[in-house]
Amino acid sequence: DVKVTQSSRYLVKRTGEKVFLECVQDMDHENMFWYRQDPGLGLRLIYFSYDVKMKEKGDIPEGYSVSREKKERFSLILESASTNQTSMYLCASSLHRGETQYFGPGTRLLVL
Amino acid sequence: KNQVEQSPQSLIILEGKNCTLQCNYTVSPFSNLRWYKQDTGRGPVSLTIMTFSENTKSNGRYTATLDADTKQSSLHITASQLSDSASYICVVVRMDSSYKLIFGSGTRLLVRP
Repeated sequence: DVKVTQSSRYLVKRTGEKVFLECVQDMDHENMFWYRQDPGLGLRLIYFSYDVKMKEKGDIPEGYSVSREKKERFSLILESASTNQTSMYLCASSLHRGETQYFGPGTRLLVL
Repeated sequence: KNQVEQSPQSLIILEGKNCTLQCNYTVSPFSNLRWYKQDTGRGPVSLTIMTFSENTKSNGRYTATLDADTKQSSLHITASQLSDSASYICVVVRMDSSYKLIFGSGTRLLVRP
């Protein structure tokens, strides 16, 4: 079974803090994704990566950056957290483009 | 504009009853359509994937249908169980170099004993 793990289930941070969200997949998948999910809205793509050290902006990249130094690990960085970044963050991975994405359990982030 | 709309937003049914969730989309060009189940506080899990040529696909008590002409899909749940309580998300994949996923906002299903 594919396993996607995220470093924290719940996180509380203060406005202006730098926040790191880590995601690790154990199936040697090429592609990794970061989404945020807010009530009443569908999942929205923040950033994605099709290969190590490669990254592309999704639909809502403002205020975020990412890092993919190793194939299995994809990190989402909030350089200076703001209250409007309070959300559920979901990481996903897929073997190839267009194939099924497997999601992690999510990190619920609260920015005070 | 590429959109995926789901109805109803929420639904309450009694255990053992059947229900049908709807998904309409305007995504083009179309690659495939997926239904995901998301339990509260968890990540989405894939239930079915349907390509343009497939009309029906089943996964246990879950049956998805696709009408590519009218751009509509449905997810039918038979003999519901308490564990079916979750959000069901319709996702349409675009047929382009990015294979971008377009997500619906989901239908929240509650199955009562």
